[in-house]
Order: sequence, then structure tokens, then C-alpha cells
Amino acid sequence: EVQLLESGGGLVQPGGSLRLSCAASGFTFSSYAMSWVRQAPGKGLEWVSSISGSGGSTYYADSVKGRFTISRDNSQNTLYMEMNSLRAEDTAIYYCAKMCGGSCYRIDHWGQGTLVTVSS
Amino acid sequence: EIVLTQSPATLSFSPGERATLSCRASHSASTFLNWYQQKPGQAPRLLIYDASNRATGIPARISGSGSGTDFTLTISSLEPEDFAVYYCNQRNSWPITFGQGTRLEIK
Repeated sequence: EVQLLESGGGLVQPGGSLRLSCAASGFTFSSYAMSWVRQAPGKGLEWVSSISGSGGSTYYADSVKGRFTISRDNSQNTLYMEMNSLRAEDTAIYYCAKMCGGSCYRIDHWGQGTLVTVSS
Repeated sequence: EIVLTQSPATLSFSPGERATLSCRASHSASTFLNWYQQKPGQAPRLLIYDASNRATGIPARISGSGSGTDFTLTISSLEPEDFAVYYCNQRNSWPITFGQGTRLEIK
């Protein structure tokens, strides 16, 4: 059974930094691209970033480009998101998502999410 | 960027009725269009992938159709558990985008 467990969310001040982690199990982690998708309170879904199975290709939404960095450790079955220069509009639940293949970017499984709140 | 427009924002039906949800793309998404269901306090769940393929465990009353710029999700006979928010999503080109969602509510 695919399991995705996010951690690292919390309250941070504007301009601050946070690192999210996603521990994956139940599948061969290195064979699948992964993504982060966020959802602001009461709002819809917004794709944030994706990374290929090998980690060699990364993609970002314009809203986070230059501030967020996606990475993965295939030896530890873990996905990361380093978030810097955080803004109030980054407040959201951040979901870790498994894609359909190493270079296939359809989300087929979601974690339960971790809440990031940016506020002074 | 492919903008996905879902209409209407809210639909009201009674259990047993047929519901049709629409998703229109600003540019062709080919058939790389997916549908997700989200219930309050839960993560989204994949229902339909590549326009018309049911994901594992999805009942036959839920179906998808379309290609290019016009897509439809149909629930042939609504069950109580179908009342939720539905999002379409495209992966035909970067950035990946989602529609704003359609809320299916009980009349």
C-alpha cells in the first residue's frame, strides 16, 4: 500500500524558512516522479513543484521559483521541499504526491498534507 | 499556461440523479486530463485519468470523456458519498494546472 507521510509544517514569520519532508513507502520510490501541491485555506489546488524519479529534472510554479527547492533522497525514500523567503500567500496545506512513473507527471496518490502558516 | 475552467462552481442534485461536470481548457490538453474528488478534511483522490480511464477502485457509475479543450465528468446515479468537490487537472504541458473546482451538493 502506498503511504506518503508529510512533516515539517508549522508557523513561520514572513521572510522565514521551512523544510518539508515526505516519507514514502509501499512502492519503489526511485522509479516515480514526485510533486508538491498546496491548498490555501478554503481554496482550490495549486501545483507547486515536481521532480523526476532520478532527481535530474525539476519543475516549479512561477509563484515559488527562486524561493522553493525540491529535492529527493532515493536511498532514504524521502522527498523534500526547502522553502525560503516565505510570504503570507504561501500559507496552505502542502501535499506530497506520487506521480505515475519516473517521468510521468499524473498524480495518482496523495499524502494527508502538512499545514504551513506564514504570519507574524 | 493551460487555464482550466470548471463550470458551474456549484451543482445541486438529489441522490439518484445524474450529474455532469464540465472542464474547459484554454489550449489543448490532448487527453492528458484527470479528475480528482476531495471531501472535507481529506486529501484529493484520483477518479479518472487521461480523460476517460477509471482509477483503481472507482465505481462504474463515474465516467469521463472528452479531448482537446472540452471534458466532462459524469456520475450516472448519485450516491450520498459522491457529494464533494471535484477538480480537473492537466499534465499535457508545464506548468501542471488545476481547475478551480466544482462543488457537488445535496439538493
